[in-house]
Amino acid sequence: DGGITQSPKYLFRKEGQNVTLSCEQNLNHDAMYWYRQDPGQGLRLIYYSQIVNDFQKGDIAEGYSVSREKKESFPLTVTSAQKNPTAFYLCASIGQGFTGELFFGEGSRLTVL
Amino acid sequence: GESVGLHLPTLSVQEGDNSIINCAYSNSASDYFIWYKQESGKGPQFIIDIRSNMDKRQGQRVTVLLNKTVKHLSLQIAATQPGDSAVYFCAENDYNQGGKLIFGQGTELSVKP
Repeated sequence: DGGITQSPKYLFRKEGQNVTLSCEQNLNHDAMYWYRQDPGQGLRLIYYSQIVNDFQKGDIAEGYSVSREKKESFPLTVTSAQKNPTAFYLCASIGQGFTGELFFGEGSRLTVL
Repeated sequence: GESVGLHLPTLSVQEGDNSIINCAYSNSASDYFIWYKQESGKGPQFIIDIRSNMDKRQGQRVTVLLNKTVKHLSLQIAATQPGDSAVYFCAENDYNQGGKLIFGQGTELSVKP
């Protein structure tokens, strides 16, 4: 079945380490997104990409980096520059023209020890 | 700046009653709106969407109303069931911004048996 796969589901990181969260979709979607969700809060946009080899900063891009080398993949790196990285991270994608349903992955929960 | 917000952070209803969840948005250029349901520890699930050229759209047990004059969106759930208990988010999309979807804070719906 088509969908979005995020991995790992749970991740622990020591302070000062970079970690990369994987997001893969087989929906043939052009646009992909990364959101951060803190407890009891809404989703805040980190980065988004409308097409391969192009991406834009969202509202809270500082301390994060992304790449879009393939249409199917949009990995997110949480760098040591992110001061408060413990959160639930959600990847999403949407089809051509940004119409229709935004499909979400099941999320990755990152905890900094 | 742009923002999507919800009037009430929590809503408690009796099983079988109708639920109404409200959302205010500030970007008058937004042309597409979506309601999502999120259960604990999972990614958001699409419920229903509406475009700015419509003022009402119905799905199975759900209705979305859009009032562009006052920039207000609502989600009505008929005959609310225990399985409807979740956090509900509204989101807006301005195509002129290349598919940048902005989410509101969310309303937690609790259904009492």
